[in-house]
Formats: sequence, structure tokens, C-alpha cells
Amino acid sequence: GAVVSQHPSRVICKSGTSVKIECRSLDFQATTMFWYRQFPKQSLMLMATSNEGSKATYEQGVEKDKFLINHASLTLSTLTVTSAHPEDSSFYICSARMEIVEYGYTFGSGTRLTVV
Amino acid sequence: AQKITQTQPGMFVQEKEAVTLDCTYDTSDQSYGLFWYKQPSSGEMIFLIYQGSYDEQNATEGRYSLNFQKARKSANLVISASQLGDSAMYFCAMRRIGGGNKLTFGTGTQLKVEL
Repeated sequence: GAVVSQHPSRVICKSGTSVKIECRSLDFQATTMFWYRQFPKQSLMLMATSNEGSKATYEQGVEKDKFLINHASLTLSTLTVTSAHPEDSSFYICSARMEIVEYGYTFGSGTRLTVV
Repeated sequence: AQKITQTQPGMFVQEKEAVTLDCTYDTSDQSYGLFWYKQPSSGEMIFLIYQGSYDEQNATEGRYSLNFQKARKSANLVISASQLGDSAMYFCAMRRIGGGNKLTFGTGTQLKVEL
């Protein structure tokens, strides 16, 4: 079946530094990937839609300069949290869309970011 | 705008019993898709079942079935013969076909299966 690999699974960084999270579709090509943020005991909130070879589309209220998204190939999208602050601590999860399947949304295992 | 409503923040069920998790949605689209995902404490999102808006039959997938009532805009998940491993958070989601194909998630239901 479709597999999406997300790394790292956990990261602790110092305030002011940047962190990169990778989302890779292992056995299919994904022209579209999605990045979500989830606070404890809450739902997934879509941050942005990442399209291969073009700029990401950010949801309202998401700072595009803070959350840099790059979708350089059909199998890899990255989210970089720049100048991280403690309030950026959260669970980040990606999803890759397999277009040939109507319900083809496969999620990565998520990244728990802690900014200290 | 699309909206998904899950009115049960928490549910308890005894092992081997069936349980229904509620989901209602609001959309003006004619074509859309409805999903249920399971999220255990480890965080990954596990796909359970899908129903297309034009599917006439309710979707079933093993112990999972989706009670789709289009006129009432509801897509309840039924889990039969609950197991301890079913304890998790369950999210209902809707896909807008076209329009970016984004998924909109409900607030989730925390299910706990008891002995």
C-alpha cells in the first residue's frame, strides 16, 4: 500500500533556531502534499497545500515566512519552521495525495516539535 | 465553506459491543467524499473507510461501516465487536472534490473500549 515517511518523529530545538521536517512518499508520486498542525486533544488544522514545482498555498492566518514549504520533487515535501519559538511547539503531520485513488490520502507518522 | 461536526467528545463502549460515532457535515457541493480516520496515542492517522457522495450503498470495511444519510448530511461510523485496540481518537473528514482537494476535519471523538 501507499506509504509516507515523515522525519524526524521527534525534535527538540532551541528558541530562535530553524527546524526542517521531511515528508516523503515512498512508493507513489504525489503532486500534492498537505501540512497540518495539531495541538493536544484537538483536530488537525491545515496549514498549507504543497504542489510539486510551484509555490505552496497557505491557509489564512499561517505565516508563510515562518513556515517555509518546499515541494521540489514528486516524492518529497519539506516544512521548515524558521526562528522557532515555544508557541510553535506542536505535532506536525503531512499527507500525500495519490490522485488515481479517490480516497488516496496517506499520512506520515507525524513530528512532535518542542521548542525550548 | 465546509464544516464537519462531531458532537461526542468522548465515548465508552464495552468490549465486543458495537458503537456508533456521529458525524454531520455541511456543504453546498454536490460532489464530495467522506472519510473516517483513527488516531491512536502514537499520533499516526490510520484510514478506516471512505464514502463518495454518489455512492448509493453504505461503505463497509471489515468491522467498520459508514451509515451514510445524504439527506440528513450525516456519515456515522459504526464499529462492530469493539476491541481494546480500538481505543483511540476518531476523526471524520470531508474532501471537497476540486477546489484544492483539501480535507476538512471534525473535532474528533475519543473512544475508550472497556473490559
